[in-house]
Amino acid sequence: SQTIHQWPATLVQPVGSPLSLECTVEGTSNPNLYWYRQAAGRGLQLLFYSVGIGQISSEVPQNLSASRPQDRQFILSSKKLLLSDSGFYLCAWSEGDWRGYTFGSGTRLTVV
Amino acid sequence: KNEVEQSPQNLTAQEGEFITINCSYSVGISALHWLQQHPGGGIVSLFMLSSGKKKHGRLIATINIQEKHSSLHITASHPRDSAVYICAVSNSNYQLIWGAGTKLIIKP
Repeated sequence: SQTIHQWPATLVQPVGSPLSLECTVEGTSNPNLYWYRQAAGRGLQLLFYSVGIGQISSEVPQNLSASRPQDRQFILSSKKLLLSDSGFYLCAWSEGDWRGYTFGSGTRLTVV
Repeated sequence: KNEVEQSPQNLTAQEGEFITINCSYSVGISALHWLQQHPGGGIVSLFMLSSGKKKHGRLIATINIQEKHSSLHITASHPRDSAVYICAVSNSNYQLIWGAGTKLIIKP
């Protein structure tokens, strides 16, 4: 069966520090992978999506970046965090053929 | 105007009541999704619709493609149904466009 792992669950980081959030998928191959962010009191915003290894599309310009070094691994990074980067980050995958989406458990990031 | 509009934003009801949450969208879609987000933040996909109606337990989702409207119904609501319900539509690039969510509280 397919599963998705996202870690860490919570993270408190100082302004200016780097960030690395990791998401891995099991039980499927060549999934579409997504990073979403939910700021306090707001809806989910698509940050990045990937349809294959090394293929990253960015939806919102910001100081975050994403990489897909392996088929089932999706990493969200930042070189220097801003206070405005605080929020709830969700990784998701889909098979791209409208079988729906599966979401990771999320990472609550607080930048202090 | 947001591409996906949900109403109401907040809904408080008594246990046992019939609940309806509405979603309207203004873009072309390949499918519409209803998702549930619990206080801890985790999101669960409830339904994916491209036409008609789907039922799962006490949850029913309908979509009218011509009117670009969908509804999520909960029958015999229970306090454990309390959550944020999110409508999202997917486009031809498999991306989700999200509504702002409806916060539902069911009181015992």
